[in-house]
Amino acid sequence: GQQLNQSPQSMFIQEGEDVSMNCTSSSIFNTWLWYKQDPGEGPVLLIALYKAGELTSNGRLTAQFGITRKDSFLNISASIPSDVGIYFCAGLGITGNQFYFGTGTSLTVIP
Amino acid sequence: EAGVAQSPRYKIIEKRQSVAFWCNPISGHATLYWYQQILGQGPKLLIQFQNNGVVDDSQLPKDRFSAERLKGVDSTLKIQPAKLEDSAVYLCASSLWGGRVRVFFGQGTRLTVV
Repeated sequence: GQQLNQSPQSMFIQEGEDVSMNCTSSSIFNTWLWYKQDPGEGPVLLIALYKAGELTSNGRLTAQFGITRKDSFLNISASIPSDVGIYFCAGLGITGNQFYFGTGTSLTVIP
Repeated sequence: EAGVAQSPRYKIIEKRQSVAFWCNPISGHATLYWYQQILGQGPKLLIQFQNNGVVDDSQLPKDRFSAERLKGVDSTLKIQPAKLEDSAVYLCASSLWGGRVRVFFGQGTRLTVV
């Protein structure tokens, strides 16, 4: 199965800094979802994107559906310690069946 | 609204033993997914159900893994016999079918095969 490439693989930032991460694929997707996963828990849905160019915010989080439909970006502004975790992107293929997950970006926020 | 329920949370078994995981999706969600997440990796889809029919099981190791969703609601994933490399977190997720899909996950079952 296909796996999406996320970058960076890990990030260490100071509290209050902004964060940017992205997800790329060789295939076109109809839907992009961004998740956060804490240790020992299942992924929690943060933002959903449904059309090329769409920009959606959820509090301090903003995500964009790339114009080419092969990428997506997630930004976190003014990071806080509870932002620590692993962030995954997931894309729904044009056949509408499988959700493919990214490799994950591990975020550490230093107080 | 209740989320996706999974049990057990943790399971330790010896290799060659059998194990089963249970999932109850969000009420009204026709689509149910089972994912395998190995430590340090993203979730990998094992099987996807639409109601009680299989939509995709291309990545399910069918010689040892099986899954069913007989009444189109809850689902069971079984491994028989287990191997060491099956140690992972098994995640169940569900979504409505069609429209603006949003997939919601349970807490997962952490399986350790020794």
